[in-house]
Amino acid sequence: DSGVTQTPKHLITATGQRVTLRCSPRSGDLSVYWYQQSLDQGLQFLIHYYNGEERAKGNILERFSAQQFPDLHSELNLSSLELGDSALYFCASSRLANEQFFGPGTRLTVL
Amino acid sequence: DAKTTQPPSMDCAEGRAANLPCNHSTISGNEYVYWYRQIHSQGPQYIIHGLKNNETNEMASLIITEDRKSSTLILPHATLRDTAVYYCIVRASSNDYKLSFGAGTTVTVRA
Repeated sequence: DSGVTQTPKHLITATGQRVTLRCSPRSGDLSVYWYQQSLDQGLQFLIHYYNGEERAKGNILERFSAQQFPDLHSELNLSSLELGDSALYFCASSRLANEQFFGPGTRLTVL
Repeated sequence: DAKTTQPPSMDCAEGRAANLPCNHSTISGNEYVYWYRQIHSQGPQYIIHGLKNNETNEMASLIITEDRKSSTLILPHATLRDTAVYYCIVRASSNDYKLSFGAGTTVTVRA
């Protein structure tokens, strides 16, 4: 158990819909990262938040957005969903530049 | 971040040492070598990291060549639970904390 929690574990939805994935970092970790893992793209970095502020963006689509709240939990919002958005979405947390601890992931299926 | 090259797959006998190579010939002086593993669709798990010197922890040892252009992760006594995809990642620890995952090495430990 990494100490990072993600909900929900599984999500099945239809194209065009909007979903929110939630992540709670380890106690004391100020950084939260979101990654997407699809069969054809592998593990891809999406976005990094540090203490409520966006720090870095990766290959995140404009239809996707994220935020980190004052209690440090983070949400990843995916809208206008397409079949290709089906993937595992992982959240990770860390203290500064140290090792990242990953959550168990949310498996999103878009039908 | 420097790119890494890993063999796509390797087998290992249970109880024997597993030596996983990684080439990172374009590594910069301020870049660290990180190793993570992912056991079947679980969240990636941090194993070890190093800059120049060899490192050892309870999970593994990391041997970095003197010119830092390659490294080897050593699992001293592989068990069936070590079957996973192992990722070698090179990353600077300054501003950008994201992890750039490649294809990794699929390690299968056989009884």
